[in-house]
Amino acid sequence: AQKITQTQPGMFVQEKEAVTLDCTYDTSDQSYGLFWYKQPSSGEMIFLIYQGSYDEQNATEGRYSLNFQKARKSANLVISASQLGDSAMYFCAMRGNFGAGTTVTVRA
Amino acid sequence: EPEVTQTPSHQVTQMGQEVILRCVPISNHLYFYWYRQILGQKVEFLVSFYNNEISEKSEIFDDQFSVERPDGSNFTLKIRSTKLEDSAMYFCASSEDKSTEAFFGQGTRLTVV
Repeated sequence: AQKITQTQPGMFVQEKEAVTLDCTYDTSDQSYGLFWYKQPSSGEMIFLIYQGSYDEQNATEGRYSLNFQKARKSANLVISASQLGDSAMYFCAMRGNFGAGTTVTVRA
Repeated sequence: EPEVTQTPSHQVTQMGQEVILRCVPISNHLYFYWYRQILGQKVEFLVSFYNNEISEKSEIFDDQFSVERPDGSNFTLKIRSTKLEDSAMYFCASSEDKSTEAFFGQGTRLTVV
């Protein structure tokens, strides 16, 4: 079974600054994938970025990047140049198991 | 851009009634999922479906729940005899492969009264 842990219930970040959201996971699988999703207050679930366990490079997607440390079983999401529209709940997930989520609030 | 669509967007039902939540996954996707999110709480996995059968289910997915792919496009979640605690947002998702990203529908908000 897989387990995802997000220890930060809420984060505040100043507009245009970067923020790092923590995610650690536990799995016995050799091959796996980690996902990050964004859930704005409107409720929809938006896929942001994916990291495969055998990917040699850290995933990047626009202003989103993953700091993947396989040995530590962590896959932290970095949002650079934060915008007001980034205010949302962010979930780390693996094979259907979601973390508890981190609420990000971007301040002007 | 292809997307997962769910209907209805909001359903209110009496306790004890049966509800069917409908989803149309992305057409070339092979894996389908249902998740539940009680308001303000975490996203909970219910079930995954592949090749016309359940491939994985959680403890939440008991005999009250069933899934079906009645035709080539729809994927449904049936909840028999709904309870107040079934009130939640239900998300359908689909993916090409079990290790690739799942794309979510906009959700169905179920309210049991």
